[in-house]
Amino acid sequence: SQQGEEDPQALSIQEGENATMNCSYKTSINNLQWYRQNSGRGLVHLILIRSNEREKHSGRLRVTLDTSKKSSSLLITASRAADTASYFCATNAGGTSYGKLTFGQGTILTVHP
Amino acid sequence: DVKVTQSSRYLVKRTGEKVFLECVQDMDHENMFWYRQDPGLGLRLIYFSYDVKMKEKGDIPEGYSVSREKKERFSLILESASTNQTSMYLCASSFLAGGERAGDLYEQYFGPGTRLTVT
Repeated sequence: SQQGEEDPQALSIQEGENATMNCSYKTSINNLQWYRQNSGRGLVHLILIRSNEREKHSGRLRVTLDTSKKSSSLLITASRAADTASYFCATNAGGTSYGKLTFGQGTILTVHP
Repeated sequence: DVKVTQSSRYLVKRTGEKVFLECVQDMDHENMFWYRQDPGLGLRLIYFSYDVKMKEKGDIPEGYSVSREKKERFSLILESASTNQTSMYLCASSFLAGGERAGDLYEQYFGPGTRLTVT
């Protein structure tokens, strides 16, 4: 079953603008991860935030996590045309889940030069 | 760098054929996963394996089976391909936390995908 749900489904912005994508989930988690997928390719891991963290940065990426609202957001600052891709959040429940991730349906980001 | 490879990028098969999709990883990962990806449905887990010869059903195992005879290789088998199995198939691998590499927290590494068309 799909736990993570991204919002919006599609986002179109100009180069240099910031892009914000949101993810909601339903059950308790051990960590939440964001992945990027370029058209027709496999997914690439971007950033992971643990359930006891509230914010994390990596380069132009900023991820927040609000476990009380069961939601996360991914902010890409100063976007570039090369950021055009689909972005997925994925949750890990920890425990005996053996590392399984539950993926959302993704946000398609288009950055216009 | 971690490398996950899949045997084919594109595959066209006929209805009723037996189809093998192969995945190999070179990072000594315990976990391996098979997903299918369809427009509007995101990634759905078909099967996963956390050790050699071990397998667990995912969310949509019907019509599929898997084989893991060696740690680095995980095969997805479509016993009798049907048109509704036309999809992008993605393989992934990760460490199994709880051991000395527990800090990994299950980051998954993906192969490039196989786009399967069943006619």
